[in-house]
Amino acid sequence: DAVMTQSPLSLPVTLGQPASISCRSSQSLVYSDGNTYLSWFQQRPGQSPRRLIYSISNRDSGVPDRFSGSGSGTDFTLQISRVEAEDVGVYYCMQGTHWPWTFGQGTKVEIK
Amino acid sequence: QVQLVESGGGVVQPGRSLRLSCAASGFTFSNYGIHWVRQAPGEGLEWVAVIWYDGNNKYYADSVRGRFTISRDNSRNTLYLQMNSLRAEDTAVYYCARHVSSQRNFDYWGQGTLVTVSS
Repeated sequence: DAVMTQSPLSLPVTLGQPASISCRSSQSLVYSDGNTYLSWFQQRPGQSPRRLIYSISNRDSGVPDRFSGSGSGTDFTLQISRVEAEDVGVYYCMQGTHWPWTFGQGTKVEIK
Repeated sequence: QVQLVESGGGVVQPGRSLRLSCAASGFTFSNYGIHWVRQAPGEGLEWVAVIWYDGNNKYYADSVRGRFTISRDNSRNTLYLQMNSLRAEDTAVYYCARHVSSQRNFDYWGQGTLVTVSS
């Protein structure tokens, strides 16, 4: 299985400051079609997960542009340019290249 | 709008069975694969199973293969998860999520249903 490792697991951030979450895969996530199927999900307290980013860097409709994704191969990053109060929650990366699909452990973002 | 509504969760003894349902609306159910993803209390997300749009292909996580069966009724716009030989470690919130084949991930999730396996 492709093991997804996120860091940090806890991220206290000051409002208005940037935040960055790393996600590393134990295997390359480049699929046979040349695409890389790495997504990011946000789970606010008490809510279901919500997709933010797909295929490394494509933002979902309605996702603020302060969220951005980058990376390639085995190393990926989710960045929040200026953290707002509504961004509190747990963020997960997920790979859809290899079966079974696997998630990172999650990174808890909280306000300092 | 796209809606996925899970039901059927509850408290069940180890070794017993339970069937979850996921009712879909707001999209053409028969055109989409659907997944089950679970989350143990205070833990992360774990992919459980997927069924293709026509029900002809199914994949399972190693942790549930042979005990859980995913199925669907496209005439009722409903997905099912039959869970047999339940174990304490199956305790989790179970979510259904819509498959996006071109992006190889999920776009919409339900609100989840809690399964507690305890004697």
